[in-house]
Amino acid sequence: QSALTQPRSVSGSPGQSVTISCTGTSSDVGDHVSWYQQHPGKAPKLMIYDVSKRPSGVPDRFSGSKSGNTASLTISGLQAEDEADYFCCSFIGRYVFGTGTEVTVL
Amino acid sequence: QVRLVQSGAEVKKPEASVRVSCKASGYIFTANYIHWVRQAPGQGLEWMGWINPRNGGTDSAQKFQGRVTMTRDTSISTAYMELSGLRSDDTAVYYCSREDNNSWKNFDFWGQGTLVTVSS
Repeated sequence: QSALTQPRSVSGSPGQSVTISCTGTSSDVGDHVSWYQQHPGKAPKLMIYDVSKRPSGVPDRFSGSKSGNTASLTISGLQAEDEADYFCCSFIGRYVFGTGTEVTVL
Repeated sequence: QVRLVQSGAEVKKPEASVRVSCKASGYIFTANYIHWVRQAPGQGLEWMGWINPRNGGTDSAQKFQGRVTMTRDTSISTAYMELSGLRSDDTAVYYCSREDNNSWKNFDFWGQGTLVTVSS
């Protein structure tokens, strides 16, 4: 299965909101969509699971949604520490990751 | 607290095999699947497969079938991933991760990663 498509990069100023999309083919994005944050040289960290649920300890400025075959991660009130790579992941029989998005805080 | 601690970096020649270990602590090892995910330099994440530590059952991405072997030793709460027939494009950081058994289909804890370099 091909990777899910994400924008290569998004950017925003502190306090602004940014949204990252994650698009697949008609069968690639289901109800088990998760999002991972990865800082350089570090392991990924779970930020969102089951499309829109936040694990304990993840700030509520991170939110997830899905419409049709596109899942989205929104970071509201952008902070400097949010600068990282973000990957979506979907399970449809197999696990497929997105291509990854670099978030830059201006 | 939950921890997954992986073995150290490896340098291998083409056609060789590599085995990476992942020692779990802070939870009941047999209660959660362990997954393996790799990341080539500057690239995205790629799911390789999982092992059920309770019974040793495995499943892997079609791309790796025939080349990847996942095992576990429950006596020391450790999972292993062996990749054979190494090629230069297998150079990557290999991560183990734990599948959340409350919500399923996501990876709630990750190891620190193991860099495997394939070079002649």
